[in-house]
Amino acid sequence: EAGVVQSPRYKIIEKKQPVAFWCNPISGHNTLYWYRQNLGQGPELLIRYENEEAVDDSQLPKDRFSAERLKGVDSTLKIQPAELGDSAVYLCASRGVGRNYGYTFGSGTRLTVV
Amino acid sequence: RKEVEQDPGPFNVPEGATVAFNCTYSNSASQSFFWYRQDCRKEPKLLMSVYSSGNEDGRFTAQLNRASQYISLLIRDSKLSDSATYLCVVTRTGNQFYFGTGTSLTVIP
Repeated sequence: EAGVVQSPRYKIIEKKQPVAFWCNPISGHNTLYWYRQNLGQGPELLIRYENEEAVDDSQLPKDRFSAERLKGVDSTLKIQPAELGDSAVYLCASRGVGRNYGYTFGSGTRLTVV
Repeated sequence: RKEVEQDPGPFNVPEGATVAFNCTYSNSASQSFFWYRQDCRKEPKLLMSVYSSGNEDGRFTAQLNRASQYISLLIRDSKLSDSATYLCVVTRTGNQFYFGTGTSLTVIP
């Protein structure tokens, strides 16, 4: 079974440029998450989808961040314009059903804004 | 107050030692509990779920204390390959997951 697939693995951009990340969750996983992880910190939730509906986006900086999951499968996260402080690893995760079912992360996209 | 708190460490222990990590959570309505392992520059991976009765997987034992609102992870007979960051994860209703900042472990030869 393929895991959560993310691309690109690495991205270096200049500040004020746009950037987009893509995620394909595990087949059949209806719940999809985008997290941001800074060095030495745990992942912080940006947005959670149940199918195509964004059910928790309270931590998403909506002035510059946007996300979509149009068909309830793969998802994109966009930053426009990027700022220096956006440098981080952006992790996508998906979850199966069941109370004691943890979720599976993709390998992440390491973003560096210069 | 943070949802989940962990001692960031670092914990430096010799091979063969036993080491324990604790994690506290603030919301008594928290439902499910997990330990994740994260290697340097890698994504977090599920290590084990934590059940109310406690559970063991080889050298790893996880326990939950709902009254005191903490979970623990015990690693026996530490191996060099156990060196990683261990993240505590707590969930609330539905699919709300909360991560601790992680505890760094280095096992020394």
